[in-house]
Amino acid sequence: DIQMTQSPSSLSASVGDRVTITCRASQSVSTYLNWYQQKPGKAPNLLIYAASSLQSGVPSRFSGSGSGTDFTLTISSLQPEDFATYYCQQSYTIRPFGQGTKVEIE
Amino acid sequence: QVTLKESGPVLVKPTETLTLTCTVSGFSLTNARMGVSWIRQPPGKALEWLAHIFSNDEKSYSTSLRSRLSISKDTSKSQVVLTMTNMDPVDTATYYCARTYHSSGYMDDYWGQGTLVTVSS
Repeated sequence: DIQMTQSPSSLSASVGDRVTITCRASQSVSTYLNWYQQKPGKAPNLLIYAASSLQSGVPSRFSGSGSGTDFTLTISSLQPEDFATYYCQQSYTIRPFGQGTKVEIE
Repeated sequence: QVTLKESGPVLVKPTETLTLTCTVSGFSLTNARMGVSWIRQPPGKALEWLAHIFSNDEKSYSTSLRSRLSISKDTSKSQVVLTMTNMDPVDTATYYCARTYHSSGYMDDYWGQGTLVTVSS
């Protein structure tokens, strides 16, 4: 089975910072990679699909890149509402998630 | 407006079978590009994808839980049902259903609010 590994597991940042989260697949997943944001007590929200496509309604400060085994989610200028946990997910057939990255206020 | 709502027991005993229902509105389970997935999240832990089903009855299951899961749909009722056998306390989690859209891979673009299932004797 394909395993998804995110790094870091958590990070502290300030409003306005540029934040990058990495996701690595144990074998190539091409660009079959989604990113989700989850806030406490809420269902996840789709941010990015197909590695780099921005979901409708998601702010443009979010971007995704990568292919094969290495992917990144970037928040260009962190906003107060972006403090949350972020998950990557392999998006072809059997779809495991990464273990999550918690973005906290510094 | 797309909505999904999970329903089922809040408490099940070890070894029992869990049956959860997802009732959807705002889209059709007959749409070729749309299906429903189940995802769970133990308290304080990560998301875990469980299964999905599509209009052509295409089904996919988590490899580690495949032997315990079954997913089905009732198009006339706009419902998708997930059953999980032989429940254990480690299966205590919030269970979500989500609309899954198939284009450039599969993406879960609308989610239910989730339902917390506790496994305890």
